[in-house]
Amino acid sequence: QVQLVQSGAEVKRPGSSVTVSCKASGGTVNTFTFNWLRQAPGQGLEWMGRIISTLPVTHYAPDFQGRLTITADTSTGTTTMALIRLRSEDTALYYCATEKYDDAFDLWGQGTMVTVSS
Amino acid sequence: QSALTQPASVSGSPGQSTTISCTGASSDIGGYNLVSWYQQHPGKVPKLIIYQVTKRPSGVSDRFSGSKSGYTASLTISGLQAEDEADYYCSSYAGSTTYVLFGGGTKLTVL
Repeated sequence: QVQLVQSGAEVKRPGSSVTVSCKASGGTVNTFTFNWLRQAPGQGLEWMGRIISTLPVTHYAPDFQGRLTITADTSTGTTTMALIRLRSEDTALYYCATEKYDDAFDLWGQGTMVTVSS
Repeated sequence: QSALTQPASVSGSPGQSTTISCTGASSDIGGYNLVSWYQQHPGKVPKLIIYQVTKRPSGVSDRFSGSKSGYTASLTISGLQAEDEADYYCSSYAGSTTYVLFGGGTKLTVL
């Protein structure tokens, strides 16, 4: 049974950067497409970007272009999301998720809370 | 590109059916058969319940069904049960610049 396990909560200052990792285990992890999504407190879901591990190719949502970098290590089944120039509006629960069907996210990590506050 | 539009809330009584709509544009819902629906209980991780407009992942109840007409996708839940009370989100592929859009979410209350 494949599981996605994310790194722990982070508290960051405005203007700084954050890195969140997500490790897949229990399956053919080197073929995964990893997506990153987030959910601000009390708000809806927002897709941020993805990496197609086998190529590798990244796609980023327009709102995150220039601030977001997604990487993957197929040997360890790990993906990492790095977001720079943080602002208070980036306070959210960040999720990694795999994409078994095109643009549909079937398996999710437990979420990582990132709080941006001065 | 704007998010997809969902009603903020819907409700229904146990045993009844209810439908949640998700309205987009020609560049997303209207252009591709790549609409998905997610169920999220409070404090829990979202769960995929519909993909590619009408398909259900293994293990998802057949009380959940999806459809699409023009720029609007719909999720129908039949035989409402108390456990169906949750937030529901739609998403759609939106082309090779925007990629994926989500709706704002709909809170389903089972009366």
